[in-house]
Amino acid sequence: EIVMTQSPATLSVSPGERATLSCRASQSVSSNLAWYQQKPGQAPRLLIYGASTRATGIPARFSGSGSGTEFTLTISSLQSEDFAVYYCQQYNNWPPLFTFGPGTKVDIK
Amino acid sequence: QVQLQESGPGLVKPSGTLSLTCAVSGGSISSSNWWSWVRQPPGKGLEWIGEIYHSGSTNYNPSLKSRVTISVDKSKNQFSLKLSSVTAADTAVYYCARRIAVAGDWYFDLWGRGTLVTVSS
Repeated sequence: EIVMTQSPATLSVSPGERATLSCRASQSVSSNLAWYQQKPGQAPRLLIYGASTRATGIPARFSGSGSGTEFTLTISSLQSEDFAVYYCQQYNNWPPLFTFGPGTKVDIK
Repeated sequence: QVQLQESGPGLVKPSGTLSLTCAVSGGSISSSNWWSWVRQPPGKGLEWIGEIYHSGSTNYNPSLKSRVTISVDKSKNQFSLKLSSVTAADTAVYYCARRIAVAGDWYFDLWGRGTLVTVSS
């Protein structure tokens, strides 16, 4: 099983600042990585797939990069609605075994 | 637009079977997508349980495979989850989700609102 780790566990950022979240896979997943945002009491929302492709309707301030085992989600200028938990998820297995990272909580500094 | 809605008992007794249904509205369950269940224990992260295609083909998380059955009812445009021999560790919010499979990209683009299932006597 591919194990996903995320750092930091919590990131305190001021509105308007840049946030950089990291995700690491225990073995190469190529570019088969997605990012999700989850707010309290809500379902996760897809942000990024294919490591760097924004999902429909996702603002350009969200960007993803990386391949292999190291990935980054960057939020260029944090808005109030961006304070949430962010999860990465790999999809490199056959048969499918989708695994998520433990999440990074972005909160207000 | 397509929407997903989970339903089922919110309380299940230990050693019992958890049963949930996900109704698909605004679209057909027979589209070229897979239909998944994902759970989230209170205050914790996300765990993929398994998925089904409209043909009935399934994939399960090996850690849960011995206890999980996912089925589809095309006539009702819905799919279901059964998890047997539940314990308190199965207490979680259970989400149904649509899994896209396009050009090698697999991701969950549509989620239900989730339903909390508590395992307790």
